[in-house]
Amino acid sequence: GAVVSQHPSRVICKSGTSVKIECRSLDFQATTMFWYRQFPKQSLMLMATSNEGSKATYEQGVEKDKFLINHASLTLSTLTVTSAHPEDSSFYICSARDQALGTERHGGYTFGSGTRLTVV
Amino acid sequence: AQKITQTQPGMFVQEKEAVTLDCTYDTSDQSYGLFWYKQPSSGEMIFLIYQGSYDEQNATEGRYSLNFQKARKSANLVISASQLGDSAMYFCAMREGLSGSARQLTFGSGTQLTVLP
Repeated sequence: GAVVSQHPSRVICKSGTSVKIECRSLDFQATTMFWYRQFPKQSLMLMATSNEGSKATYEQGVEKDKFLINHASLTLSTLTVTSAHPEDSSFYICSARDQALGTERHGGYTFGSGTRLTVV
Repeated sequence: AQKITQTQPGMFVQEKEAVTLDCTYDTSDQSYGLFWYKQPSSGEMIFLIYQGSYDEQNATEGRYSLNFQKARKSANLVISASQLGDSAMYFCAMREGLSGSARQLTFGSGTQLTVLP
């Protein structure tokens, strides 16, 4: 089935540095990528939606200059957390939607395995 | 208003028993899809089952079934014959609009299920 590879799975960084998270679709073209953030024991909250070759659409309250999203190809989308602070510590997970994939009855949305970011 | 409501923060079930996880939704769209995901402690999102708004029959996938009551806007997940490996967080999610529209999923707050031996 469709696979999205997300790296790194865990990262610890110092406050003020930047961290890049990659999501790569391995066997399909991810025309749309969704980026979610999940705080402990909470729901997945959509941060932004990106389509290949165009600017990402950010949800209200998400700083686009802090969370840079690049979807330059049909197989790769990246999220860069710039000038990270401890409050950015969270679980970040991507989800790809491919129009050519099987119906939603078989999933339809493919998730990466997530990245646990800790900012110290 | 919340689009997806899961009112059970935590549930316990005895091994081999059945359990129902509640989910209600709110949308004005005629076309929408409802999903259930399992999230173990590792964080991965595991797709369990899907119900389309026009589906007349309740979806079933192995031990999982979805009790879809459209008029009540509820889409409860039923897990039969619970296993210890079913212990995880369960999320209900909704996609509004046509399935080909590549719209995002909106998630509920989740239910932490614990299966007791």
